[in-house]
Amino acid sequence: AQSVTQLDSQVPVFEEAPVELRCNYSSSVSVYLFWYVQYPNQGLQLLLKYLSGSTLVKGINGFEAEFNKSQTSFHLRKPSVHISDTAEYFCAVSGHDYKLSFGAGTTVTVRA
Amino acid sequence: GAVVSQHPSRVICKSGTSVKIECRSLDFQATTMFWYRQFPKQSLMLMATSNEGSKATYEQGVEKDKFLINHASLTLSTLTVTSAHPEDSSFYICSARGSEGNEQFFGPGTRLTVL
Repeated sequence: AQSVTQLDSQVPVFEEAPVELRCNYSSSVSVYLFWYVQYPNQGLQLLLKYLSGSTLVKGINGFEAEFNKSQTSFHLRKPSVHISDTAEYFCAVSGHDYKLSFGAGTTVTVRA
Repeated sequence: GAVVSQHPSRVICKSGTSVKIECRSLDFQATTMFWYRQFPKQSLMLMATSNEGSKATYEQGVEKDKFLINHASLTLSTLTVTSAHPEDSSFYICSARGSEGNEQFFGPGTRLTVL
């Protein structure tokens, strides 16, 4: 079984500042890692995913994440945020059964 | 990209009634569909996994007689909340996966309120 820990429940950030959302996972098998964004009363949108290969993954809307196997981490970063990035962000992990386990989520609030 | 729809987007029902939620993959065939439940300000919890033409697999603690799942075709799965009670009020989200790839595509969710 896999589990995910998102270390920050809330992250306030000023517009055009960088942001990092931390995610650690635990698993006894090789995993696939995902970051999703959820806007109020909506479903989830995939930001990026790590399946294999390069540990630095680039996603949509200027986000990127780095897979670090030794630290079992998959932190999400964006160098300059916009007001529209205000949302809930979920880190998720799955094994080869494709079942997703989600972290508790991080609320990002971007202020002008 | 792949699109998944859910219907209805919102439903309000009286306690004791049953509610059916539909999840459709619009432009691909979904061999596997997943149903999640999300309480306010909380994460998504997987309820069950359904494969087309076979019985759903429920996660521990999810009552299969309470939450009936049918995956009758490669583009449609339904979740029926039977004899709904106020504690069943939640945001229900489905996702779908095609025959290839690891990505799940999520529907927009259904807000269920049981009075």
